[in-house]
Amino acid sequence: SQQGEEDPQALSIQEGENATMNCSYKTSINNLQWYRQNSGRGLVHLILIRSNEREKHSGRLRVTLDTSKKSSSLLITASRAADTASYFCASSYYNQGGKLIFGQGTELSVKP
Amino acid sequence: DAGVIQSPRHEVTEMGQEVTLRCKPISGHDYLFWYRQTMMRGLELLIYFNNNVPIDDSGMPEDRFSAKMPNASFSTLKIQPSEPRDSAVYFCASSKELQGAYGYTFGSGTRLTVV
Repeated sequence: SQQGEEDPQALSIQEGENATMNCSYKTSINNLQWYRQNSGRGLVHLILIRSNEREKHSGRLRVTLDTSKKSSSLLITASRAADTASYFCASSYYNQGGKLIFGQGTELSVKP
Repeated sequence: DAGVIQSPRHEVTEMGQEVTLRCKPISGHDYLFWYRQTMMRGLELLIYFNNNVPIDDSGMPEDRFSAKMPNASFSTLKIQPSEPRDSAVYFCASSKELQGAYGYTFGSGTRLTVV
């Protein structure tokens, strides 16, 4: 399986703190994406980083990519209770034709 | 746009019965995906279509599972006969590109319980 790994599996923080989630992938990628899933809902696309990029920002989100380590991190700054959700990374692998393979996810709980 | 629409939201059926899940993708999206989510296995890609043609069904677990896309605005995932281990949340997603340069758009899912 090329399913990547995410850590931590669960993260609990206070409102206002920063949350960092990590994702590792297996082989060469076209891009890596992050999604959020609220309880009982579908996944929502947050941000995409291409294999030739090292860092991207979108609002309070910052994503980094280290292709030498085959890893990515998602940082949520100044977290809010509404950020409570599961976060998934998804890799678009060259050898899989580019289809997205999702990691197991990180469950984030932000306490008010 | 109403997004990707899935029906039903919840389905409870008895073992051995046929189950049909439905999906309406976003207009203009050429790719349609069926994923299954369980606690044990996470989010698995079952099959995807490009312009209504099945391209990769390597994730379909068994012959009991079948998927069709008769036109650009409708797809079904059928399980016959259903088994308790098929209990999961099934998601449909659509995209303009396979690599998801604009992301995949997911429906709200169908929670299937087979008793």
